[in-house]
Amino acid sequence: AQSVTQPDIHITVSEGASLELRCNYSYGATPYLFWYVQSPGQGLQLLLKYFSGDTLVQGIKGFEAEFKRSQSSFNLRKPSVHWSDAAEYFCAVEDTDKLIFGTGTRLQVFP
Amino acid sequence: DAGVTQSPTHLIKTRGQHVTLRCSPISGHKSVSWYQQVLGQGPQFIFQYYEKEERGRGNFPDRFSARQFPNYSSELNVNALLLGDSALYLCASSLDPTDEQFFGPGTRLTVL
Repeated sequence: AQSVTQPDIHITVSEGASLELRCNYSYGATPYLFWYVQSPGQGLQLLLKYFSGDTLVQGIKGFEAEFKRSQSSFNLRKPSVHWSDAAEYFCAVEDTDKLIFGTGTRLQVFP
Repeated sequence: DAGVTQSPTHLIKTRGQHVTLRCSPISGHKSVSWYQQVLGQGPQFIFQYYEKEERGRGNFPDRFSARQFPNYSSELNVNALLLGDSALYLCASSLDPTDEQFFGPGTRLTVL
């Protein structure tokens, strides 16, 4: 069955530090991959998506992600984190028009 | 332009009751999907509707049902509520089932 694993439940970084959130997927065909962000009490906002082509994808708010087929990974990165980036981050894979989400990574940012 | 709207924002029910949650998609979007997000977990797919027809159903019991109206808005109904139904219920709309999904703010359901 298709699945998404986010191995880090909680990550803490200092403001201005770089960030990498890990995501591994299990999918038989070429995956459509997504990263969403959820602030407390809010819905999901799409940060970026990968369908095909260039394996380095640029998103909103300065985020990027790299698709690595050999590692079944789609890690999210940001070179310099801002305090406003504190939120829950979800990786997802599309399976027959529905999204399968990981369990999320909670990002805490210290000043 | 208005995004996906959901009502109510919060809801408190007791075990055994019935609940109806509502979703209005982005104008022009004909597909609506419902997801359940239990605290500390990622969203789980419940239903997808397109042009008023059910296109997909997740692994949820028959107590969960939904429908889509001619104006493409949608309702999610849950009967015989259990404590475990307490969750954030998210609605997402898209132009069609293959297109990018846009999420609403969710309805927070608490079952006591």
